[in-house]
Amino acid sequence: NAGVMQNPRHLVRRRGQEARLRCSPMKGHSHVYWYRQLPEEGLKFMVYLQKENIIDESGMPKERFSAEFPKEGPSILRIQQVVRGDSAAYFCASSPVGDGYTFGSGTRLTVV
Amino acid sequence: GENVEQHPSTLSVQEGDSAVIKCTYSDSASNYFPWYKQELGKGPQLIIDIRSNVGEKKDQRIAVTLNKTAKHFSLHITETQPEDSAVYFCAASTVGNQFYFGTGTSLTVIP
Repeated sequence: NAGVMQNPRHLVRRRGQEARLRCSPMKGHSHVYWYRQLPEEGLKFMVYLQKENIIDESGMPKERFSAEFPKEGPSILRIQQVVRGDSAAYFCASSPVGDGYTFGSGTRLTVV
Repeated sequence: GENVEQHPSTLSVQEGDSAVIKCTYSDSASNYFPWYKQELGKGPQLIIDIRSNVGEKKDQRIAVTLNKTAKHFSLHITETQPEDSAVYFCAASTVGNQFYFGTGTSLTVIP
């Protein structure tokens, strides 16, 4: 079991470009969560997805951010027209029903 | 929504001593309380968790206690070792929903 796989590990984007972050959950896990971590801060919830459904997106900024978890393939967190304030570590976690999360190693996004 | 507070924000202990990190939560509906360890440049790793029908859980040198009435839970690490140095996060949730994380405790174990 390879664990939760996130790629890329590091991503550099210029202001105004798009960032696409990918997350493949652990085998058998049907729930995916995305969190953002700013330097020296805790983990802030962004969105909770199951296959083809967004369950809770209360932590997602209203504009420029979107997430999906298609029937086939990884979950994608997409940030359009990135700004410097989007620079952070983005972590994906997966879980089976009713159990703890397993986190991936994260994608560190730097906007220059 | 839920609000989780975590103390202290930094903690230094001598190798072999014990370390205690405390968290409080606000939502009495929360029933699942995991603890994560995050090393520099890595993702958080689940180290222990407790559900609200249990008051204490132990796994080797790590233990967690839960006081539902007072809405607080604590992580206890005994016989600390340098490799325990990391940032520790507590969290609270209702099963199947998002986790609300504390702001983290940076633990340094001094050899």
